Amino acid sequence: QKEVEQNSGPLSVPEGAIASLNCTYSDRGSQSFFWYRQYSGKSPELIMSIYSNGDKEDGRFTAQLNKASQYVSLLIRDSQPSDSATYLCAVNSGGSNYKLTFGKGTLLTVNP
Amino acid sequence: KAGVTQTPRYLIKTRGQQVTLSCSPISGHRSVSWYQQTPGQGLQFLFEYFSETQRNKGNFPGRFSGRQFSNSRSEMNVSTLELGDSALYLCASSSNTGGAGNTIYFGEGSWLTVV
Repeated sequence: QKEVEQNSGPLSVPEGAIASLNCTYSDRGSQSFFWYRQYSGKSPELIMSIYSNGDKEDGRFTAQLNKASQYVSLLIRDSQPSDSATYLCAVNSGGSNYKLTFGKGTLLTVNP
Repeated sequence: KAGVTQTPRYLIKTRGQQVTLSCSPISGHRSVSWYQQTPGQGLQFLFEYFSETQRNKGNFPGRFSGRQFSNSRSEMNVSTLELGDSALYLCASSSNTGGAGNTIYFGEGSWLTVV
């Protein structure tokens, strides 16, 4: 059973701080890695995708991938109360780019 | 460009009944997949369809089935509903560009409650 593990939450940070979310995966064949944000009662919203080793930045978000360590992370700089949500790490699995395995999610709370 | 559209958004069914959920993918997307989300198990992959064929399948019992039509719209069906089937059912679509770089977008989901 291919697994995706996320650091246990909940995670609480003050407004303006950096929030760090971590994820490890077991399928060495995975090629596509995603971070989704899910507000309570809503569906997951894609915020970052990363496919090669290194960092990828998009505004206040930076995704980091290390395939050798099977590790992917998401940094949120200048955290805002509106960033308070559950963050889901997803990895393609089973050799398919159309089948995602999700972690259980990390609940982030940004305190004003 | 319209997103992934799911209907109905909310429904309540009784144990033993069956339910059909519908999904219209983003225009031009030919891959449609379905996921179940519960508080205990999180988000779990049900199946994926492309060109009216099931291409990938998750670890769910045969009570869960789906299909895709020639216009890429998809339906999923759950027969003989159990209380544990209460969940948010999410449809997602993808453009099938192939290889890494394929992005999957979710609809707003269908909330199913089984009583």
